[in-house]
Amino acid sequence: DSGVTQTPKHLITATGQRVTLRCSPRSGDLSVYWYQQSLDQGLQFLIQYYNGEERAKGNILERFSAQQFPDLHSELNLSSLELGDSALYFCASSVGPVSGANVLTFGAGSRLTVL
Amino acid sequence: AQSVTQLDSQVPVFEEAPVELRCNYSSSVSVYLFWYVQYPNQGLQLLLKYLSGSTLVKGINGFEAEFNKSQTSFHLRKPSVHISDTAEYFCAVWAAGNKLTFGGGTRVLVKP
Repeated sequence: DSGVTQTPKHLITATGQRVTLRCSPRSGDLSVYWYQQSLDQGLQFLIQYYNGEERAKGNILERFSAQQFPDLHSELNLSSLELGDSALYFCASSVGPVSGANVLTFGAGSRLTVL
Repeated sequence: AQSVTQLDSQVPVFEEAPVELRCNYSSSVSVYLFWYVQYPNQGLQLLLKYLSGSTLVKGINGFEAEFNKSQTSFHLRKPSVHISDTAEYFCAVWAAGNKLTFGGGTRVLVKP
């Protein structure tokens, strides 16, 4: 157990729907990162929050949004889902705000299947 | 901008044989380098990291990597693999002002 908790583990939904993925960071970590892992794109950075504020943005689609709450858990919202959004979504956390200077601890991922 | 290339997408290897996973990066500034491992149905775990100092870095589970600045490489090695080393391995690079960037991954399949 890495200490980073992601729910749900698996999710199957239909095109056009909206889903929310949840992440609780490791105790003491203030940064949360979201990554998308798919066969064709590999591991893609989506977005990072540090202590409630957006810190960095990657290849995140406009249909996707995220936030980090006062208790530091984070949610990734995916809307108007398309078949191509099927992927494994990872959350990672770290102590500080800079991804390179801090080791990232990953959760086990949420597997999203869009039918 | 920085990028990471893992030259082999798959590496089959027999148990107790050595393995080397190749990683090359491009960056115009100094970098930090990482290797992560992803076991089946799990998240990524840090194997080792290079921040500064000795170019030979030792990690967990008997892995080590060597930073070569002139060749912009950070190859991962293990002298004798076990069945339990079957996993996907990711090289990652970070430079100031950038995000952590991962390579495409190398799948290692250890055969008995």
